[in-house]
Amino acid sequence: QKEVEQNSGPLSVPEGAIASLNCTYSDRVSQSFFWYRQYSGKSPELIMSIYSNGDKEDGRFTAQLNKASQYVSLLIRDSQPSDSATYLCAVNISGGSYIPTFGRGTSLIVHP
Amino acid sequence: DAGITQSPRHKVTETGTPVTLRCHQTENHRYMYWYRQDPGHGLRLIHYSYGVKDTDKGEVSDGYSVSRSKTEDFLLTLESATSSQTSVYFCAIRGSGTQETQYFGPGTRLLVL
Repeated sequence: QKEVEQNSGPLSVPEGAIASLNCTYSDRVSQSFFWYRQYSGKSPELIMSIYSNGDKEDGRFTAQLNKASQYVSLLIRDSQPSDSATYLCAVNISGGSYIPTFGRGTSLIVHP
Repeated sequence: DAGITQSPRHKVTETGTPVTLRCHQTENHRYMYWYRQDPGHGLRLIHYSYGVKDTDKGEVSDGYSVSRSKTEDFLLTLESATSSQTSVYFCAIRGSGTQETQYFGPGTRLLVL
């Protein structure tokens, strides 16, 4: 059974700090990795996808993938109070029916 | 905005009644999904569709049925609603092209009394 694990948090960081969110997965054949942000009462929205080992940067966000260790992380630089949300990690085996497995999410609180 | 709408957005119903939730998309995506989200459980897949009249079960399909008679609409039916089906329901589509990403609708909050 595929599993995706995230620390539920809350992770509390001061404004301007780097927030580090982690996700581990159990299925070694996983190929696609995604981070979604979900504000309270809203739907998840995609913020990053990563497919290859290493880092991928997009603005203040950096996704890091290490397939050998089976973890993917999301770094948020210069954290802002507006980054306060739940961050969902999703993992998929590429090809065929796209049925990603979601983690339960990590709650991030950025305090002024 | 992936052109996904859900209706109704909020619903209160009584145990034992049938309930149908609608997901509508405007961009002709092949794959559509229904999830439920509950505290402590995250997003769990109920059913998904990979084309008109082509559907399959997810991990929490008991008590739910789906239908997709045209590309743009994916219906989720709770055959006889129970209090355990009180949840937030999200519809999603799979984006086009090589990026295997999902885009979610705004959600439906369902309360079963």
